[in-house]
Amino acid sequence: GAVVSQHPSWVICKSGTSVKIECRSLDFQATTMFWYRQFPKQSLMLMATSNEGSKATYEQGVEKDKFLINHASLTLSTLTVTSAHPEDSSFYICSARKGGGGDTQYFGPGTRLTVL
Amino acid sequence: EDQVTQSPEALRLQEGESSSLNCSYTVSGLRGLFWYRQDPGKGPEFLFTLYSAGEEKEKERLKATLTKKESFLHITAPKPEDSATYLCAVQAEDKIIFGKGTRLHILP
Repeated sequence: GAVVSQHPSWVICKSGTSVKIECRSLDFQATTMFWYRQFPKQSLMLMATSNEGSKATYEQGVEKDKFLINHASLTLSTLTVTSAHPEDSSFYICSARKGGGGDTQYFGPGTRLTVL
Repeated sequence: EDQVTQSPEALRLQEGESSSLNCSYTVSGLRGLFWYRQDPGKGPEFLFTLYSAGEEKEKERLKATLTKKESFLHITAPKPEDSATYLCAVQAEDKIIFGKGTRLHILP
């Protein structure tokens, strides 16, 4: 199997606060994890790629100081949205790639963030 | 420019009415093509990975095929529970590119 979980599944927060989202690979070790955001009826937009034990690589236009990514172990990556604002409201999805298992990414169930 | 285009954007079929979804791509250095199913408010669910032209993979009512320019996802005798958005993604040398998806609706 290749199961990826995310927590929380949804979160509502006030503007200016920080929110942390966890992504875990439950039954495999993920050398690489990815963070995406998705707006309604749009496709996935890659935000950053993280490899265990090293700094994340951010896509152009994604503020690394606003979206903090930590990939501390082979089964856990976290995304922290700092000083969240209403425009950060979105559906955040993580994915994980097995070590030595090719390019296939396995996705988590997503986290719905609403910033008031 | 690398890109992935899915068509149609939306498709409504009667239960049992077979059809195909298209994913055309232009990328340099194709390493793999992926199909995912996504239900509203959920993350994409992995369906298939195809690596080379001529390759085919099947799972229940779904069959994915790949050529050098496009991939098809064939749905045979679909059921209402097959209703979802189907995403195609292409892995190039250093990036993955997602299409916008096809929203499939199967009418009972």
